[in-house]
Amino acid sequence: NAGVTQTPKFQVLKTGQSMTLQCAQDMNHNSMYWYRQDPGMGLRLIYYSASEGTTDKGEVPNGYNVSRLNKREFSLRLESAAPSQTSVYFCASSVKLRSGKTIYFGEGSWLTVV
Amino acid sequence: SQKIEQNSEALNIQEGKTATLTCNYTNYSPAYLQWYRQDPGRGPVFLLLIRENEKEKRKERLKVTFDTTLKQSLFHITASQPADSATYLCALIPSNYGGSQGNLIFGKGTKLSVKP
Repeated sequence: NAGVTQTPKFQVLKTGQSMTLQCAQDMNHNSMYWYRQDPGMGLRLIYYSASEGTTDKGEVPNGYNVSRLNKREFSLRLESAAPSQTSVYFCASSVKLRSGKTIYFGEGSWLTVV
Repeated sequence: SQKIEQNSEALNIQEGKTATLTCNYTNYSPAYLQWYRQDPGRGPVFLLLIRENEKEKRKERLKVTFDTTLKQSLFHITASQPADSATYLCALIPSNYGGSQGNLIFGKGTKLSVKP
């Protein structure tokens, strides 16, 4: 039981390049999330998926797209990377968050855009 | 505007003392509040959850209080150890978020350092 697995762990991109961050969870959770964490800004929600087949924008969605491929997998795509997207990205999952269940985070993906 | 604030960016204490971290919020009505621990280079890990109708919750050396009148949660670590050194995040789910499930709102965290 690996929990939430993200790849890659580290990536350096040039401005304008595209890439996809992959995330998979093996806990049979319905909801999945992508957050970014920046110094002084805390964790901010980019996109989330309440269930398979649905996605919604979070606080900072601009410049990103997501795909909920199936119940296990939720990917985050940067179509044209910008230096402002240099950050640590965390994928997470949860079961029925409203009921009090907790969020489980992956180990993070460090992205640098030069 | 809505805010969730952790008053101290950093807290330094001596081993064996009680660490107390503060989380304040404004213009939210949280259904519950959570505390997470984050170690350098790692993802946050859930520690405790306290509901709006609960005053206090304990787990081993950890204690969380929730005062909806003061709009504040306190997180205590008793008999602190150097291994408790980490960043601690509070997070809340507004009870008035409508139909969305996704909006767990995080504070920026307090970095706790426990010196031997």
